Amino acid sequence: QQQVKQSPQSLIVQKGGIPIINCAYENTAFDYFPWYQQFPGKGPALLIAIRPDVSEKKEGRFTISFNKSAKQFSLHIMDSQPGDSATYFCAAGYSTLTFGKGTMLLVSP
Amino acid sequence: DGGITQSPKYLFRKEGQNVTLSCEQNLNHDAMYWYRQDPGQGLRLIYYSQIVNDFQKGDIAEGYSVSREKKESFPLTVTSAQKNPTAFYLCASSTYGTGGNQPQHFGDGTRLSIL
Repeated sequence: QQQVKQSPQSLIVQKGGIPIINCAYENTAFDYFPWYQQFPGKGPALLIAIRPDVSEKKEGRFTISFNKSAKQFSLHIMDSQPGDSATYFCAAGYSTLTFGKGTMLLVSP
Repeated sequence: DGGITQSPKYLFRKEGQNVTLSCEQNLNHDAMYWYRQDPGQGLRLIYYSQIVNDFQKGDIAEGYSVSREKKESFPLTVTSAQKNPTAFYLCASSTYGTGGNQPQHFGDGTRLSIL
């Protein structure tokens, strides 16, 4: 009930491409869905978050799409750049956060 | 600058030794958290605290202990009972009493290894 399943494990796109990372959850009590970006040797940094009363949220080049009935949400990175190469984590929760296992993204020049 | 400071950045533990990881925040956040990160495993919650002098076990609390004597500090002790302590440890904090629905801010971690 507490799992958050994230896919793919790794992803390679060319500069300017639109990588998409997907997450699925089971617990319908979850009411907060953030995405974090982590560079090697650093802590995760919050990118963008959504609550279940909206189906999409955009912040700069980052977009979350949320499908409440399917219990799925995804991160899209528009016009991806080599500097976006990092590990991305989705999470979900209501009192504490449950994290997905992460996606390593490589954006080639 | 407001933020979360974790120290040390690298730590080595000998067999049978307890070690303590420091976490300090100046964000005036109520809640603080400790996570363990292993390669390919995401972040797993060890302990969390919503207010001073109170804390709760997370998913993997065995072999760990914490204290919350001050709002800004939440040290984690890795005891000798934790048989596989090698990992990257992350501390986080958030506003309000619970963090599931509020943004969590992370420190830059402590990497613990066994000698």
